[in-house]
Amino acid sequence: GAVVSQHPSRVICKSGTSVKIECRSLDFQATTMFWYRQFPKKSLMLMATSNEGSKATYEQGVEKDKFLINHASLTLSTLTVTSAHPEDSSFYICSAGTNSYFNEQFFGPGTRLTVL
Amino acid sequence: EDQVTQSPEALRLQEGESSSLNCSYTVSGLRGLFWYRQDPGKGPEFLFTLYSAGEEKEKERLKATLTKKESFLHITAPKPEDSATYLCAVRSYNNNDMRFGAGTRLTVKP
Repeated sequence: GAVVSQHPSRVICKSGTSVKIECRSLDFQATTMFWYRQFPKKSLMLMATSNEGSKATYEQGVEKDKFLINHASLTLSTLTVTSAHPEDSSFYICSAGTNSYFNEQFFGPGTRLTVL
Repeated sequence: EDQVTQSPEALRLQEGESSSLNCSYTVSGLRGLFWYRQDPGKGPEFLFTLYSAGEEKEKERLKATLTKKESFLHITAPKPEDSATYLCAVRSYNNNDMRFGAGTRLTVKP
């Protein structure tokens, strides 16, 4: 149980294009999903918290218009990197909570984004 | 502000050589301390959650312990397949998200 999937696992795009990454909770309903960014050999940096049916909460320094988050259902959240540039190249990971109180998080496999 | 510091940054062990990884934390009201394992190019894999000082949890060769200031992840007789980055994270009652440490990169040589 508690499986989180991400799609695509790897994407390469040209500078200026937009990329959408999907995060799905496969066997549970997630009222809250989190989006992280991870640089090589670095830890996870929280970008935003996505709540089903409401606007996402972004961390300081994360551009809302750059990283669009939509949490349309209890099993799906999407992250769209708009007008991607090479500096947006990174490993993006989502996670979903399974327990509303203790809020243990399970992570997706990640999406490797490379912007040329 | 919640802070998590992991040490060492990297650890190289021989197969069968037991050791411990440290996670020091400062948090206003600990809601939970989490250990994850991450393999290169993969998302973190959940290992343990600890909620209060004195709590211990075990899974195969791993044992996690918690005090009011730090947590240890003990690895007994490690095998090469235990090689990975081990991440520690905390959640406080003030935040709904997790704060992660930088991780410890463990390499176990046969």
